[in-house]
Parts: sequence; structure tokens; C-alpha cells
Amino acid sequence: GESVGLHLPTLSVQEGDNSIINCAYSNSASDYFIWYKQESGKGPQFIIDIRSNMDKRQGQRVTVLLNKTVKHLSLQIAATQPGDSAVYFCAEGPNSGYSTLTFGKGTMLLVSP
Amino acid sequence: SAVISQKPSRDICQRGTSLTIQCQVDSQVTMMFWYRQQPGQSLTLIATANQGSEATYESGFVIDKFPISRPNLTFSTLTVSNMSPEDSSIYLCSAGESGSPLHFGNGTRLTVT
Repeated sequence: GESVGLHLPTLSVQEGDNSIINCAYSNSASDYFIWYKQESGKGPQFIIDIRSNMDKRQGQRVTVLLNKTVKHLSLQIAATQPGDSAVYFCAEGPNSGYSTLTFGKGTMLLVSP
Repeated sequence: SAVISQKPSRDICQRGTSLTIQCQVDSQVTMMFWYRQQPGQSLTLIATANQGSEATYESGFVIDKFPISRPNLTFSTLTVSNMSPEDSSIYLCSAGESGSPLHFGNGTRLTVT
């Protein structure tokens, strides 16, 4: 289930389950959205992005959904694996030039074998 | 995608001293940025490193405290000046091209004692 930790919300899932990480963004004028995965001791790693003219985009095992009406973004990970354990950040920007990407708080995903 | 290398990967510094962090990209990029990430927190943009001109700083960050250089399209430095324990953080370099996702280095973990 989902819980709030000391610093980050945490989502705990079992290996093989599907994971859904949610993000509420603040700026209705944002045109570009991106998800990053950050493992311990590393920098953020690009997962998938989407522009505001789309509401869904799929990658390998990941899907990003965008609901502009309620300013909500989600990242779905299919068949979650222990290697998916990390902190996931969403970010929004005015356009794909991302000169000022604004990052969300982050969600820690813990995958149990 | 661009490969971004940061040096040093970590350092422990005494208060009142300064540390210069280097960021090297393996290809020419238009945009380079410096972010700060407090432990367990999200990323905050410090400044945009502009090639051949002064960096553009975000609210709350000033050039005297965080001088930035960008002598060419593949290299930038961030200096943390007159450090205090409050400057203990992860400093991240990022780079990219308009229309492509922004990529990050693995960060410099700074502890100020």
C-alpha cells in the first residue's frame, strides 16, 4: 500500500505486480512532462516523457498517463521487478525545451521479491 | 543520449572553504543546468549555465555564492563558496538539447563540517 515516510511517500509492491505512481502537477500551462528514476547514489535517469497534446504514451514496461483536466500524471510499471526499486520523480515544464523543469516531491518504490 | 561526468563524486569540506565541481559532457549540448538535492528531497534548480555569458540564477541563488562557468558546449563548473553546513547537499549537473529529454550526472555529494 501507499504511505507517507519521513521525507517521501512510499509505495510497496510485490515482484510481478503492476505499480502505479501518481503525481499532481501545479501549473496548468505546463506543456511537457517527464518521469525520472533515481537509484541510491546515482543521478536521475530518464524513463519516459509526454507532451500535453497526448494523454498516454507507452514505453518498455512503462506507461505514462496525463489528465490535464485534473492536472494529474501517472507512471505505470508492468510486472514490477526488484531492480525497479528506486525513487521516482515527475517533472513539468513549459515546453520541451525544459529550460525550467519543476520537479515533484518524489515517490519511493519498494519491490519485494 | 549524452553521458555526463561529474567530479568529485563526493567531498567533505570545512566551513568557510570553497569547492568547485566539474561537469563534462561527452558531446556538445546547448543547455546545461545545475540542480541541488537535499537528502531525501526533490531537485531544485540553481541556475542555467550559459555558454559564453553569465549564468541565469533562480530565486534564492546568487552568483557570489554559486559562481558558474561554461567556457564551451561540453563543460561547466559550479563553485560552492564560503561553505556552511547548510550547503551539505547533492549537486547535480544536467544537460540536453531542446526536444530531447534532459539527462543528469551522478551528482557530487557534499558534506560541510
